[in-house]
Amino acid sequence: GAVVSQHPSWVICKSGTSVKIECRSLDFQATTMFWYRQFPKQSLMLMATSNEGSKATYEQGVEKDKFLINHASLTLSTLTVTSAHPEDSSFYICSANPGEETQYFGPGTRLLVL
Amino acid sequence: SQQGEEDPQALSIQEGENATMNCSYKTSINNLQWYRQNSGRGLVHLILIRSNEREKHSGRLRVTLDTSKKSSSLLITASRAADTASYFCAQRSGNTPLVFGKGTRLSVIA
Repeated sequence: GAVVSQHPSWVICKSGTSVKIECRSLDFQATTMFWYRQFPKQSLMLMATSNEGSKATYEQGVEKDKFLINHASLTLSTLTVTSAHPEDSSFYICSANPGEETQYFGPGTRLLVL
Repeated sequence: SQQGEEDPQALSIQEGENATMNCSYKTSINNLQWYRQNSGRGLVHLILIRSNEREKHSGRLRVTLDTSKKSSSLLITASRAADTASYFCAQRSGNTPLVFGKGTRLSVIA
C-alpha cells in the first residue's frame, strides 16, 4: 500500500513555543491530506483538511490561527501548533488518499507540552 | 456528530478464540473501513467494504455490512496475542474524510 511518513515521531516542548509537524506522501501525490488528533484511549478526531495550493478547511471548534496548515506541494503538508500549551499535548496523525478509496495514515507524532 | 459507535468498548479473550467487534454508523456511506492501532502507533488499514457489499474476507478477518441497520462487524478468527490492539471502524460518505468510531480495545491473552 501507499506510504505516508511523519516527522518528528515525538516532540517535547515548553509552553508557549511553536511546533511544526511534517506529513509526507512518499510514493504518491496527494492534493488532499487530513490531520487528526487523538487523546489517550479515545478515537481519532478530524482537525482539518489540507488542500494543496489553497487554504485548509478546519472542522468546527478547531482554531485555524492556532493550528496552521501549509500544503505547499503535492507530497508535503505541515501542521504548526502555535504557542503550544499543555492541553495541546496529544497524538497527531496525518493521512492521505492516493486517489483510491483507502486512506493511508502516517505513524503519528506524539506532542508533549510542558 | 457523525461519529459511529463500536461495541464492545473493550474485549478480552484467550488466544485461539474468535473476536467479534461491532460498529454502528449514522449516515449513508460509500464504504466502511476497519483499521487497527497498536498502542501509541499509527493506523494500519485492514479491510474496506463497499456499500453494495455484504461480506468480505481477508485472511483471518471477516467483515459484514448491513446498510439497512447501518452496522458492520469485524470477526477475527483464531486470535493471536499479536492481535492485541485497538480496532476502529471508519465511514466514508461522498468525498468527505473518514469519520472514526470510538474503537474497541482487544486484548488477546496467551
